[in-house]
Amino acid sequence: AQSVSQHNHHVILSEAASLELGCNYSYGGTVNLFWYVQYPGQHLQLLLKYFSGDPLVKGIKGFEAEFIKSKFSFNLRKPSVQWSDTAEYFCAVNAHNYGQNFVFGPGTRLSVLP
Amino acid sequence: EAQVTQNPRYLITVTGKKLTVTCSQNMNHEYMSWYRQDPGLGLRQIYYSMNVEVTDKGDVPEGYKVSRKEKRNFPLILESPSPNQTSLYFCASSLSGELFFGEGSRLTVL
Repeated sequence: AQSVSQHNHHVILSEAASLELGCNYSYGGTVNLFWYVQYPGQHLQLLLKYFSGDPLVKGIKGFEAEFIKSKFSFNLRKPSVQWSDTAEYFCAVNAHNYGQNFVFGPGTRLSVLP
Repeated sequence: EAQVTQNPRYLITVTGKKLTVTCSQNMNHEYMSWYRQDPGLGLRQIYYSMNVEVTDKGDVPEGYKVSRKEKRNFPLILESPSPNQTSLYFCASSLSGELFFGEGSRLTVL
């Protein structure tokens, strides 16, 4: 079965600090990869996605992620966080041979201090 | 406006009282799914549907039923709710692999 792990449960940063959130998945075949963000009290919104091609993908609000196939990883980065980035971040995987079964990681809560 | 609409947004009920959470999307998506979100566990898929009259179990289907009689609607049915089904529920639809989520329905079962 597929599984997704996220390295940190809660990350606390000051504004302007750099961010990297780790994500690893367990499936060895072809995958689609996603990062979703959930702002307090809101639903999940797509930050960025990887389907194929350039392993470095850029998303909204200055976020980017790098797919490293050999490490089964899809880490999220942002060079300089803002207070408004305070949210919960979820990594998700959709393995091609598993149809439409999306698997989400447990989430990482990011708190950015002003 | 493209959206996924869930109702009710908040519900407090008692053990054993059947309830339905509705989900409707206006994007003509074939794929729809239900998730529950619990602290520390992320989102877990309950059921999904590839198209009308086609549904399948996700990772945590026990205690839930779904139906897909129309493309736009995908209701989640709790025939006999129990306290362990207290959770935040999200409906989502998808085109080309990207999920679009509803606002969520917070359910409390006493």
